[in-house]
Amino acid sequence: DAGITQSPRHKVTETGTPVTLRCHQTENHRYMYWYRQDPGHGLRLIHYSYGVKDTDKGEVSDGYSVSRSKTEDFLLTLESATSSQTSVYFCAITGHENTEAFFGQGTRLTVV
Amino acid sequence: GENVEQHPSTLSVQEGDSAVIKCTYSDSASNYFPWYKQELGKRPQLIIDIRSNVGEKKDQRIAVTLNKTAKHFSLHITETQPEDSAVYFCAASVGSGGYQKVTFGIGTKLQVIP
Repeated sequence: DAGITQSPRHKVTETGTPVTLRCHQTENHRYMYWYRQDPGHGLRLIHYSYGVKDTDKGEVSDGYSVSRSKTEDFLLTLESATSSQTSVYFCAITGHENTEAFFGQGTRLTVV
Repeated sequence: GENVEQHPSTLSVQEGDSAVIKCTYSDSASNYFPWYKQELGKRPQLIIDIRSNVGEKKDQRIAVTLNKTAKHFSLHITETQPEDSAVYFCAASVGSGGYQKVTFGIGTKLQVIP
C-alpha cells in the first residue's frame, strides 16, 4: 500500500465544535484530495491541493476548509461541525495527472 | 462540471456468471477512466483504468471498454467469484494545467452468490 495515513480513524463530536482531520503521506506526491463518502452519493470531492499552500474547492466544499503547509500533510477542518457532515472521509494522493489515486484508510466522523 | 452516472446501483450474479457495470460521463474533455473496488470497511483500490486513446483494456477476468463518441464506459467481470463481492466505482478524470479533477459515480454493490 502507498504510504498514506489518516488520523483519527474514528471520531464522535458535538454539533458546533471544530474538527480537524489529518492526512499524512510519505510518497512525496504533489496532489492530495479530500473526499466524503455517503450512501447513494459515491465519493464527492471536498477540496484538493496541487502543491504546498495551493488548494482549491471541490463540489461539496461549503463548511470545510483545508491547509497544506508541507508536502506530506493535508488538513481538513470543519469550522463548526453539523449533523450533515456525519460521513466517512477519505484522503487520496496522486503523483501525476491522470494516474491512479491511492486512498487512506478513511475517517468515520459522527456529529451528534 | 463533469457528471458521471453509474448503473446499476446493485447487482447480484451467480458465481461463474459475468457482471457488467455501465457508466456515462458528460465532459468530453475527460481523458482518464479508472475503476475502483471497495471491500466492506476498506479503502477504494484501483482495479483497472483506461485512457481516452484506447477502446478496450483487459486484465485477466476484468475488462473495460470505452466509447468516446457516446461518452460511456463499462466494466466487465467474467467468471465471477465470491471475492469479487464489493462496491465498484467508476470515475472520469480531466487532467490539465497541473491538476487532476476526478468525478466518481455513485457505486455499484456487486454480490456474487456461491
